[in-house]
Parts: sequence; C-alpha cells; structure tokens
Amino acid sequence: KNEVEQSPQNLTAQEGEFITINCSYSVGISALHWLQQHPGGGIVSLFMLSSGKKKHGRLIATINIQEKHSSLHITASHPRDSAVYICAVHQGAQKLVFGQGTRLTINP
Amino acid sequence: KAGVTQTPRYLIKTRGQQVTLSCSPISGHRSVSWYQQTPGQGLQFLFEYFSETQRNKGNFPGRFSGRQFSNSRSEMNVSTLELGDSALYLCASSFTSTGNTEAFFGQGTRLTVV
Repeated sequence: KNEVEQSPQNLTAQEGEFITINCSYSVGISALHWLQQHPGGGIVSLFMLSSGKKKHGRLIATINIQEKHSSLHITASHPRDSAVYICAVHQGAQKLVFGQGTRLTINP
Repeated sequence: KAGVTQTPRYLIKTRGQQVTLSCSPISGHRSVSWYQQTPGQGLQFLFEYFSETQRNKGNFPGRFSGRQFSNSRSEMNVSTLELGDSALYLCASSFTSTGNTEAFFGQGTRLTVV
C-alpha cells in the first residue's frame, strides 16, 4: 500500500463543474503539498498546508491532520484546469513522498 | 526573480553511458532536491542537498549521485545508464531544509536511454 493515496486517478468533468480530489496518507508529516503538472512536465506548487484551509482564486485546499486526509477543490472549473494534480507529503527535511496523481480533464 | 532552471531540457543517451544534469535554484535558496518521474513508478525522491551536504537519500542504486556547489547549484550524475533510467528528472529548490518550507520545481530534464 502506498504511503500517499489519491482518488480518483482520472476525472473528466464539464466546464463549470465543482471538482474534488482527495488525498490520504499513512505516515507522519510536517506539511502537505498540492502540485499541478501540465503536459511538458513542469510542476507548479499550488498549496503547502500543515493545518486548516487555504484558498487561492478558484482553488481551495483543506487538510485534516487527525484523519490524515486532504482535499483539493476547484470551483467553476475551466478547460485550462486540465492537468495532473499531485498530492505530496513532507517526511522530514525536504524529502517529498508523492501520490500517484489525478489526471483531470475539463471539457468545454 | 528567476525560477528554478534545469539544463538540458532533453537528452538522449546510449546504454552504458553516463550523464550529468544541472539544476540552478532560485537565488537565495540553499536546498536542492532531485526527483525521478516514470510512468510506472511515478515521482520518487532521489536525494537532497543543503549547503553542499547531502542531507537525505532515496532508495536508488549507487549509480545515481549528486553534488552541490558553493553557489547552491546542483548536479546529478547517472553512470552506466540503463534503459529503465529513461525518465523525467525534476529538481526543486527551497530556502531551508526544514519540512515545512515551500518547494519550487524546475521544468525537468527528460532523459531517454536507447
């Protein structure tokens, strides 16, 4: 069993829909990242969380430390949100352990 | 402020050769981490350098090595390349080496071994 599990692995939705991607982890962490990867490979850090909730534009990330669970929400989804979203946890220092990613496709 | 720069972006090598990849972190960042991404294994941690010292190492064979220079630029080297080393290699820089500091990723180097 992976230390970081994401669901779903693939998600297709229509433009405007509310999107939720879930991440569960089984290890102690100091922080959790949500990352976005577009075709071409580059990774952008969307959020770093150690507690509570963060919001940036149409993106919202929450974390429940007791339940070892985090969610990434996208409101009013748009085709440009199509990407792979990756949950990663900090296991001490700068070692990141990654989920397998969620491939999101938003159709116009 | 310039982002994390990885060179080269693309590389094709033959089995048995060795390769060196470079990562220039954001100015002022002293921690550089390296990751390998393959379709089968996803993203995996290779190693982390902070102030020219390797602080943490992932579960990779000794053919994978790295170093960091006094200006925080880092290189990773893979010797005796195997077909399975074909991957996207990403580096990330952070201001410190603690576990709650944001990491900034480069665009990656796509290595193909033939």
